[in-house]
Amino acid sequence: KNQVEQSPQSLIILEGKNCTLQCNYTVSPFSNLRWYKQDTGRGPVSLTIMTFSENTKSNGRYTATLDADTKQSSLHITASQLSDSASYICVVSPSRSNDYKLSFGAGTTVTVRA
Amino acid sequence: DAGVTQSPTHLIKTRGQQVTLRCSPKSGHDTVSWYQQALGQGPQFIFQYYEEEERQRGNFPDRFSGHQFPNYSSELNVNALLLGDSALYLCASSLWGTENQPQHFGDGTRLSIL
Repeated sequence: KNQVEQSPQSLIILEGKNCTLQCNYTVSPFSNLRWYKQDTGRGPVSLTIMTFSENTKSNGRYTATLDADTKQSSLHITASQLSDSASYICVVSPSRSNDYKLSFGAGTTVTVRA
Repeated sequence: DAGVTQSPTHLIKTRGQQVTLRCSPKSGHDTVSWYQQALGQGPQFIFQYYEEEERQRGNFPDRFSGHQFPNYSSELNVNALLLGDSALYLCASSLWGTENQPQHFGDGTRLSIL
């Protein structure tokens, strides 16, 4: 079973609207949680990184939240633009000695329509 | 400041053949990780190299092997190719010991097995 589950699998929103993506994880203990944006045919690009002690982190119109107690994170996209159409991947880094293996979710595909 | 570069961008092979993929890390980075990303899925960790040694390995068979050179660049070798090896192969670089900093990804090599 994947240790990082994302929902929804995909969503379609109109340009200018907001949306929220969800990430549930079981990796424990963990060092940090990351959100990446991956455009079609490109490599992932980092949006935010939060350590276990952080609750929120923003990067422009992207805001990530983290609840380490419930092991949930969300990524909120404000005032969506056509260029936000991409896959958004939640990634959890373990906090174990000599364990550098990141756990990736399957991603949420966001399509922004004019 | 060059980011992570991968070559080739696309490759077509037949079953049973062998393939070598190459990666040059971002300037200043000394650690390289390789990932396999099947269509519609998140990346899966293959292995990580630092100081020319494999530091950790994911759940991949011995057909997958790698190497890191003194200039930190890296190769991924896959022997006895199977149809299921068709995927996007991503290379990511980072600086050893900076777990709370993002990995930087290349745009990948798209490998198709016929």
